[in-house]
Amino acid sequence: SAVISQKPSRDICQRGTSLTIQCQVDSQVTMMFWYRQQPGQSLTLIATANQGSEATYESGFVIDKFPISRPNLTFSTLTVSNMSPEDSSIYLCSVNDRGSEAFFGQGTRLTVV
Amino acid sequence: GENVEQHPSTLSVQEGDSAVIKCTYSDSASNYFPWYKQELGKRPQLIIDIRSNVGEKKDQRIAVTLNKTAKHFSLHITETQPEDSAVYFCAASLPNFGNEKLTFGTGTRLTIIP
Repeated sequence: SAVISQKPSRDICQRGTSLTIQCQVDSQVTMMFWYRQQPGQSLTLIATANQGSEATYESGFVIDKFPISRPNLTFSTLTVSNMSPEDSSIYLCSVNDRGSEAFFGQGTRLTVV
Repeated sequence: GENVEQHPSTLSVQEGDSAVIKCTYSDSASNYFPWYKQELGKRPQLIIDIRSNVGEKKDQRIAVTLNKTAKHFSLHITETQPEDSAVYFCAASLPNFGNEKLTFGTGTRLTIIP
Protein backbone atom coordinates (compact mmCIF):
# COMPACT_ATOMS: atom_id res chain seq x y z
CA SER A 1 0.00 0.00 0.00
CA ALA A 2 1.05 3.58 -0.65
CA VAL A 3 2.89 5.39 2.14
CA ILE A 4 2.12 9.09 2.35
CA SER A 5 4.09 11.61 4.35
CA GLN A 6 2.40 14.90 5.00
CA LYS A 7 3.82 17.91 6.78
CA PRO A 8 3.49 19.89 8.85
CA SER A 9 1.32 17.75 11.13
CA ARG A 10 -0.05 20.85 12.78
CA ASP A 11 0.41 24.60 12.79
CA ILE A 12 -1.01 27.71 14.38
CA CYS A 13 -1.06 30.66 12.00
CA GLN A 14 -1.97 34.31 12.12
CA ARG A 15 -4.89 35.45 10.05
CA GLY A 16 -3.91 36.95 6.73
CA THR A 17 -0.88 34.71 6.31
CA SER A 18 -0.44 31.62 4.13
CA LEU A 19 0.57 28.05 4.90
CA THR A 20 1.94 25.48 2.47
CA ILE A 21 1.29 21.83 3.18
CA GLN A 22 3.49 19.18 1.59
CA CYS A 23 2.55 15.65 0.61
CA GLN A 24 5.12 13.03 -0.42
CA VAL A 25 4.22 9.56 -1.70
CA ASP A 26 6.58 6.59 -1.83
CA SER A 27 5.47 5.61 -5.35
CA GLN A 28 4.46 7.37 -8.52
CA VAL A 29 0.77 8.14 -8.76
CA THR A 30 -1.23 9.82 -11.48
CA MET A 31 -3.50 11.88 -9.29
CA MET A 32 -3.32 13.26 -5.79
CA PHE A 33 -6.34 14.53 -3.93
CA TRP A 34 -6.64 17.23 -1.30
CA TYR A 35 -9.44 17.10 1.26
CA ARG A 36 -10.58 19.38 4.04
CA GLN A 37 -12.11 18.06 7.24
CA GLN A 38 -13.64 20.78 9.39
CA PRO A 39 -13.92 20.08 13.13
CA GLY A 40 -16.31 17.21 13.75
CA GLN A 41 -17.29 17.06 10.08
CA SER A 42 -16.83 14.82 7.10
CA LEU A 43 -14.19 15.04 4.39
CA THR A 44 -14.75 17.43 1.51
CA LEU A 45 -12.69 17.27 -1.65
CA ILE A 46 -10.90 20.53 -2.42
CA ALA A 47 -9.16 19.63 -5.66
CA THR A 48 -7.48 16.94 -7.71
CA ALA A 49 -3.84 17.47 -8.63
CA ASN A 50 -2.55 15.94 -11.85
CA GLN A 51 1.11 16.20 -12.76
CA GLY A 52 1.77 18.50 -15.66
CA SER A 53 -1.57 20.27 -15.66
CA GLU A 54 -3.54 22.68 -13.54
CA ALA A 55 -5.43 21.24 -10.60
CA THR A 56 -9.16 20.65 -10.89
CA TYR A 57 -11.12 22.38 -8.14
CA GLU A 58 -14.45 21.32 -6.69
CA SER A 59 -17.37 23.66 -6.35
CA GLY A 60 -16.75 26.20 -3.62
CA PHE A 61 -12.96 26.08 -3.83
CA VAL A 62 -10.84 28.40 -5.97
CA ILE A 63 -7.23 28.45 -7.06
CA ASP A 64 -6.51 31.87 -5.59
CA LYS A 65 -7.39 30.60 -2.12
CA PHE A 66 -5.96 27.09 -2.44
CA PRO A 67 -3.16 27.07 -5.01
CA ILE A 68 -1.78 23.60 -5.65
CA SER A 69 1.51 22.48 -7.15
CA ARG A 70 2.28 19.05 -8.59
CA PRO A 71 5.87 19.14 -9.84
CA ASN A 72 6.25 15.36 -10.20
CA LEU A 73 4.45 12.06 -9.73
CA THR A 74 5.33 11.69 -6.04
CA PHE A 75 4.86 15.15 -4.58
CA SER A 76 2.25 17.87 -4.22
CA THR A 77 1.68 20.98 -2.16
CA LEU A 78 -1.47 22.77 -1.09
CA THR A 79 -1.29 26.39 0.04
CA VAL A 80 -4.00 27.93 2.17
CA SER A 81 -3.80 31.62 1.35
CA ASN A 82 -4.85 34.75 3.23
CA MET A 83 -6.10 32.62 6.09
CA SER A 84 -9.04 33.41 8.33
CA PRO A 85 -10.31 31.52 11.39
CA GLU A 86 -12.84 29.77 9.11
CA ASP A 87 -9.91 27.98 7.47
CA SER A 88 -9.16 26.15 10.70
CA SER A 89 -9.49 22.52 9.69
CA ILE A 90 -7.61 19.34 9.07
CA TYR A 91 -6.22 19.12 5.55
CA LEU A 92 -5.49 15.68 4.14
CA CYS A 93 -3.84 14.53 0.98
CA SER A 94 -4.83 11.23 -0.57
CA VAL A 95 -3.79 8.90 -3.36
CA ASN A 96 -5.42 5.85 -4.89
CA ASP A 97 -3.58 2.56 -4.81
CA ARG A 98 -4.51 -0.96 -5.83
CA GLY A 99 -7.15 0.47 -8.13
CA SER A 100 -9.60 2.63 -6.27
CA GLU A 101 -8.50 2.22 -2.64
CA ALA A 102 -7.73 5.64 -1.21
CA PHE A 103 -4.89 6.14 1.25
CA PHE A 104 -4.55 9.27 3.31
CA GLY A 105 -1.70 11.24 4.74
CA GLN A 106 -1.73 11.80 8.48
CA GLY A 107 -3.30 15.21 7.99
CA THR A 108 -2.34 18.77 8.84
CA ARG A 109 -4.25 20.31 11.71
CA LEU A 110 -4.43 24.04 11.01
CA THR A 111 -5.54 26.60 13.56
CA VAL A 112 -5.88 30.21 12.46
CA VAL A 113 -5.87 32.84 15.19
CA GLY B 1 -22.51 15.69 -8.72
CA GLU B 2 -22.76 12.76 -6.38
CA ASN B 3 -24.46 13.21 -3.00
CA VAL B 4 -24.12 10.70 -0.18
CA GLU B 5 -26.33 10.66 2.89
CA GLN B 6 -25.46 8.66 5.99
CA HIS B 7 -27.50 7.61 9.02
CA PRO B 8 -27.45 7.60 11.97
CA SER B 9 -25.06 10.37 12.95
CA THR B 10 -24.44 8.72 16.33
CA LEU B 11 -24.90 5.13 17.41
CA SER B 12 -24.34 3.46 20.75
CA VAL B 13 -24.46 -0.31 21.12
CA GLN B 14 -23.65 -2.74 23.87
CA GLU B 15 -20.44 -4.68 23.48
CA GLY B 16 -21.16 -7.90 21.65
CA ASP B 17 -24.23 -6.55 19.84
CA SER B 18 -24.38 -5.64 16.16
CA ALA B 19 -24.18 -2.19 14.62
CA VAL B 20 -25.63 -1.12 11.28
CA ILE B 21 -24.87 2.10 9.43
CA LYS B 22 -26.74 3.05 6.28
CA CYS B 23 -25.91 5.26 3.31
CA THR B 24 -27.72 6.34 0.19
CA TYR B 25 -26.21 7.81 -2.96
CA SER B 26 -27.70 9.87 -5.75
CA ASP B 27 -25.80 9.01 -8.93
CA SER B 28 -26.75 5.62 -10.34
CA ALA B 29 -23.44 5.56 -12.28
CA SER B 30 -21.42 5.31 -9.05
CA ASN B 31 -19.76 1.93 -8.87
CA TYR B 32 -17.40 1.92 -5.89
CA PHE B 33 -18.45 2.17 -2.25
CA PRO B 34 -15.79 2.13 0.47
CA TRP B 35 -16.16 2.45 4.20
CA TYR B 36 -13.59 4.26 6.32
CA LYS B 37 -12.93 4.18 10.04
CA GLN B 38 -11.42 7.24 11.66
CA GLU B 39 -10.20 7.09 15.22
CA LEU B 40 -9.75 10.28 17.15
CA GLY B 41 -6.83 12.32 15.84
CA LYS B 42 -5.96 9.78 13.15
CA ARG B 43 -6.34 9.48 9.42
CA PRO B 44 -9.25 7.61 7.83
CA GLN B 45 -8.50 3.95 7.20
CA LEU B 46 -10.30 1.73 4.72
CA ILE B 47 -12.07 -1.15 6.44
CA ILE B 48 -14.09 -2.65 3.61
CA ASP B 49 -15.31 -1.75 0.15
CA ILE B 50 -17.72 -3.08 -2.46
CA ARG B 51 -18.19 -2.62 -6.16
CA SER B 52 -21.47 -2.38 -7.97
CA ASN B 53 -21.20 -5.83 -9.51
CA VAL B 54 -21.43 -7.44 -6.07
CA GLY B 55 -24.34 -7.42 -3.63
CA GLU B 56 -22.52 -8.32 -0.44
CA LYS B 57 -19.00 -8.61 0.88
CA LYS B 58 -17.79 -9.88 4.22
CA ASP B 59 -14.52 -9.68 6.11
CA GLN B 60 -14.62 -11.38 9.49
CA ARG B 61 -16.94 -9.29 11.69
CA ILE B 62 -17.55 -6.63 9.05
CA ALA B 63 -19.89 -6.86 6.08
CA VAL B 64 -21.21 -4.45 3.49
CA THR B 65 -24.39 -4.86 1.46
CA LEU B 66 -25.33 -2.96 -1.67
CA ASN B 67 -28.74 -2.43 -3.23
CA LYS B 68 -28.16 -0.80 -6.61
CA THR B 69 -31.83 -0.46 -7.40
CA ALA B 70 -32.52 1.49 -4.24
CA LYS B 71 -29.09 3.19 -4.35
CA HIS B 72 -28.21 2.37 -0.81
CA PHE B 73 -25.49 0.42 0.97
CA SER B 74 -24.94 -0.56 4.56
CA LEU B 75 -22.14 -1.46 6.93
CA HIS B 76 -22.74 -4.27 9.40
CA ILE B 77 -20.44 -4.89 12.35
CA THR B 78 -21.17 -8.00 14.40
CA GLU B 79 -19.92 -8.94 17.87
CA THR B 80 -18.83 -5.37 18.50
CA GLN B 81 -15.79 -4.68 20.65
CA PRO B 82 -14.61 -1.53 22.42
CA GLU B 83 -11.96 -0.96 19.74
CA ASP B 84 -14.76 -0.57 17.19
CA SER B 85 -15.56 2.80 18.76
CA ALA B 86 -14.71 5.43 16.11
CA VAL B 87 -16.27 7.59 13.42
CA TYR B 88 -17.26 5.68 10.30
CA PHE B 89 -17.62 7.28 6.88
CA CYS B 90 -19.20 5.79 3.81
CA ALA B 91 -18.25 7.07 0.38
CA ALA B 92 -19.14 6.66 -3.25
CA SER B 93 -17.30 7.28 -6.47
CA LEU B 94 -17.91 7.28 -10.18
CA PRO B 95 -15.65 5.16 -12.39
CA ASN B 96 -12.45 6.92 -13.48
CA PHE B 97 -9.83 4.29 -14.35
CA GLY B 98 -8.31 4.03 -10.89
CA ASN B 99 -8.39 7.77 -10.23
CA GLU B 100 -11.77 7.84 -8.59
CA LYS B 101 -12.50 10.77 -6.34
CA LEU B 102 -14.61 10.04 -3.31
CA THR B 103 -17.76 11.74 -2.08
CA PHE B 104 -18.11 11.07 1.62
CA GLY B 105 -21.14 10.70 3.81
CA THR B 106 -21.50 12.84 6.91
CA GLY B 107 -20.14 10.20 9.27
CA THR B 108 -21.44 8.06 12.14
CA ARG B 109 -19.92 8.22 15.59
CA LEU B 110 -20.11 4.67 16.93
CA THR B 111 -19.69 4.11 20.65
CA ILE B 112 -19.40 0.60 22.05
CA ILE B 113 -20.61 0.40 25.63
CA PRO B 114 -18.63 -2.15 27.69
